[in-house]
Amino acid sequence: RKEVEQDPGPFNVPEGATVAFNCTYSNSASQSFFWYRQDCRKEPKLLMSVYSSGNEDGRFTAQLNRASQYISLLIRDSKLSDSATYLCVVNPNTGGFKTIFGAGTRLFVKA
Amino acid sequence: DTGVSQNPRHKITKRGQNVTFRCDPISEHNRLYWYRQTLGQGPEFLTYFQNEAQLEKSRLLSDRFSAERPKGSFSTLEIQRTEQGDSAMYLCASSPRLAALTDTQYFGPGTRLTVL
Repeated sequence: RKEVEQDPGPFNVPEGATVAFNCTYSNSASQSFFWYRQDCRKEPKLLMSVYSSGNEDGRFTAQLNRASQYISLLIRDSKLSDSATYLCVVNPNTGGFKTIFGAGTRLFVKA
Repeated sequence: DTGVSQNPRHKITKRGQNVTFRCDPISEHNRLYWYRQTLGQGPEFLTYFQNEAQLEKSRLLSDRFSAERPKGSFSTLEIQRTEQGDSAMYLCASSPRLAALTDTQYFGPGTRLTVL
């Protein structure tokens, strides 16, 4: 089993739609969780951190479910500019500083 | 531009040659990471520096790979005797804080390596 798994998609949605991605992680001791966004041929950039209580930033909401070992990202009112690959990132807390990236979920928002 | 910079941006080499990449992190960032990314995959962790100390290396980092951060500022990643399987995008990221277990990582644009 991979340490971090994501549905690769692609997700094709119309503008204005709500879309949700999940990401599962295998190490129950994992401490830190993030969503990064990567545009085609660009470097990853932090979208948001994921806190135990969940967090919201505008149209984006991230949640953590420790019991089921997954994090989620919800995008409301999708924009064309949201088209990108969304990477789930986990620190497995194995005593080091290694961070694990999922393979990413591709999102296409169409007019 | 005060972001993370990487040089060269592209490198084409023949199998068996050695290559070296450079990463200049954001000034005063203590943490520096190297990753490798292939098409359709997320970045794979290679190694981590805290200041000049290399504190963690992935099993992916064979003995052909070596990384340094001599003065705790820029870092180099060298690949010796390159193989076609080394073809990938090599990403560098830096992070500002030591207190947090994991902090926001700021990525450079990457060096795309093609081994012929």
